[in-house]
Amino acid sequence: DIAITQSPSSVAVSVGETVTLSCKSSQSLLYSENNKDYLGWYQQKPGQTPKPLIYWATNRHTGVPDRFTGSGSGTDFTLIISSVQAEDLADYYCEQYFVYPLTFGSGTKLEIK
Amino acid sequence: EVQLQQSGAELGKPGTSVKLSCKVSGYNIRNTYMHWVNQRPGKGLEWIGRIDPANGNTIYAEKFKSKATLTADTSSNTAYMQLSQLKSDDTAIYFCAMSREGPLDYWGQGVMVTVSS
Repeated sequence: DIAITQSPSSVAVSVGETVTLSCKSSQSLLYSENNKDYLGWYQQKPGQTPKPLIYWATNRHTGVPDRFTGSGSGTDFTLIISSVQAEDLADYYCEQYFVYPLTFGSGTKLEIK
Repeated sequence: EVQLQQSGAELGKPGTSVKLSCKVSGYNIRNTYMHWVNQRPGKGLEWIGRIDPANGNTIYAEKFKSKATLTADTSSNTAYMQLSQLKSDDTAIYFCAMSREGPLDYWGQGVMVTVSS
């Protein structure tokens, strides 16, 4: 199984600051045939359903604010949240869909100072 | 608009089974994979398995192969998951989710399954 490691496990930032979340995979998620990275990011606010944010490592889902930016390729990925808002308080998970079983990272809890 | 509507909360006794449903509107499930994901209290997301409703083919995470059974009814556009031999550590929220080209791009609201005698 592909292991996904997220860091930090939690982070606290002030409104308006920028935060970088890390996601590392135990093997490459880049499929050479289509040059796509099979990596997604999800936001889960307290008591809510996970909301898809990013797919193919860098593409925002419809309606996701442009302060959320996914980057990286291969085994190392990041989610950058610029100008953090109070409403961004949530757990953030990355997930690989390169091979079965699909696997999630353990999540990063974003707290607002 | 695509929506996934899950059945209501379940309370099951140890050793029994429960069957959860996930009705999809706004998209034909024949053109998707339907996945199930759980989240134990205070924990992260865990993928259980997926079904291809067009042909019934299933793939399970190893630890759920004897726990979960995935089915789908294309006539009602609904996916199902049966959990058998319930134990206390099956207590969790169970989400259904849909994928079309890879990512889980639509999710149900989740259903709480509580196992207690």
